[in-house]
Amino acid sequence: AQSVTQLDSHVSVSEGTPVLLRCNYSSSYSPSLFWYVQHPNKGLQLLLKYTSAATLVKGINGFEAEFKKSETSFHLTKPSAHMSDAAEYFCVVSGFQKLVFGTGTRLLVSP
Amino acid sequence: NAGVMQNPRHLVRRRGQEARLRCSPMKGHSHVYWYRQLPEEGLKFMVYLQKENIIDESGMPKERFSAEFPKEGPSILRIQQVVRGDSAAYFCASSPGTAQETQYFGPGTRLLVL
Repeated sequence: AQSVTQLDSHVSVSEGTPVLLRCNYSSSYSPSLFWYVQHPNKGLQLLLKYTSAATLVKGINGFEAEFKKSETSFHLTKPSAHMSDAAEYFCVVSGFQKLVFGTGTRLLVSP
Repeated sequence: NAGVMQNPRHLVRRRGQEARLRCSPMKGHSHVYWYRQLPEEGLKFMVYLQKENIIDESGMPKERFSAEFPKEGPSILRIQQVVRGDSAAYFCASSPGTAQETQYFGPGTRLLVL
C-alpha cells in the first residue's frame, strides 16, 4: 500500500529565508507524487507533480521538489519565503486511482 | 475552462437531517473522486466514480453515505441522518483519465452538523 509521512506538523520561517518541507513515501511500485497547498478555508491547489521523468520537479510560485529513490523522499523547497506562502502543504502519493494524503505541514511565515 | 465546482460551499444541518453535496467536474473530465477532511487532518479518500458507475468505494462509511454520478448532471454525495461526527470539509476532485492522472480539486463543501 502507498503512504506518505510528513515529518513536521509545523514549520516556521522568516520572510526571505529558505523553506524546506519534508516528506517520505512508501510505495510498492514507481510512484506518482504530488504537493498540494491549501490556504485557510480554501480548496487545494496543485503545486507540482512527479511522474518518473526528471527527478527535480519545478512547480508554481518558485517551489520545487526533488525525488530521491534511495532515501524514499520528496522534499519541497523554496529559496525565499513570501508572506503569501503561509498555508497548509500536503504531500500526496497516487495509489490505484486514489490519492493518499500526508497529515500536512503548516507553514508559518513571519515578517 | 471552469474548474471543479461544488455547491453549496457551506451547509448547516441538524442531527438526523440529510445532506446533499454536489460536484460538477471540469469540462472533459469523466472521473470524479470524493475526499473528506476532518478538522486538523489531511484528506481521506471516500469514493471514485465514473459516469453511472462506482469504481471504488473503499473509503465510504458502510452506513448513511452514498454517492452517484449520473449520466447527466453533477455527482452527488448524500449523507442520511447526519451526526455531529459528519462535520467536515468534503472535497470533490476530477481527472480526465485513470491512474496517475492529476486530480483537480474543487473548493469544498463545509458541512456543520448542529
